[in-house]
Amino acid sequence: AQKVTQAQTEISVVEKEDVTLDCVYETRDTTYYLFWYKQPPSGELVFLIRRNSFDEQNEISGRYSWNFQKSTSSFNFTITASQVVDSAVYFCALSESGRSSSNTGKLIFGQGTTLQVKP
Amino acid sequence: GAGVSQSPRYKVAKRGQDVALRCDPISGHVSLFWYQQALGQGPEFLTYFQNEAQLDKSGLPSDRFFAERPEGSVSTLKIQRTQQEDSAVYLCASSLLNLNTEAFFGQGTRLTVV
Repeated sequence: AQKVTQAQTEISVVEKEDVTLDCVYETRDTTYYLFWYKQPPSGELVFLIRRNSFDEQNEISGRYSWNFQKSTSSFNFTITASQVVDSAVYFCALSESGRSSSNTGKLIFGQGTTLQVKP
Repeated sequence: GAGVSQSPRYKVAKRGQDVALRCDPISGHVSLFWYQQALGQGPEFLTYFQNEAQLDKSGLPSDRFFAERPEGSVSTLKIQRTQQEDSAVYLCASSLLNLNTEAFFGQGTRLTVV
C-alpha cells in the first residue's frame, strides 16, 4: 500500500532561519512520482515540485531545495532564509506510475506540516 | 478561466439535506479529481474523471456521494442526506493529462453539516 508520512505536525522558526520539512513514503511500485504542495490560508494547494523515482538529483529553486533519497524513501524539503510569506501548510504527496491502465495519477498525501515563520 | 474555480466557497447544510458542489476546471484539462480534506488532515482522494468518464470512484466514502462530469468540463459532486462526518473541505483539481502531470487545485468548498 502507498503511504506518505510527515512526522512534523508543526514547526515554528524565526525569519531568516533555514528549515527542513521531512517526508517519508512507502510504495511497492518501482516507478512513482513525488510532489510537494503548499497550502496557504486561502486554501488552494499550490504546486511546488514533481520528481520521478528515476531522478535522484537534488533540486534547487531559489530559496527552496529538495533532497530525494531512494535508499531511505525520503523526499525532504528545505527552505533557506525563511520569510513570513513562507508560513503555510506543506504537503508531500505520492503518485504511482502511468504504466498501469488503472493508474489515474491520484495523489496520496501526507498529513501536512504547518510552518510558522515569525518576524 | 485562469484557474480551477469552485462554488460555493462555503456551504452550511442541515443534517439530512442534499448538497451539490461545483467545479470548473481549467479549460482543456482532461483529468479532474475530487478530494476531501478533513480539518488538520491531508486531502484524500474521492474520485477521478478522464473527460466525461468516471474512471475511478474508489475513494467515495458511501453511496450517498455521487459525482458527474457530463460534458467533460464542469463537474458536480453531490452528497445526499448529509451527515456531520461529511463536514470537510472538498477540493477539486484538474490536469492536462493523467500521466502524473502537475495538478492545479481550486480553493475548495468548505462544507459544514449542522
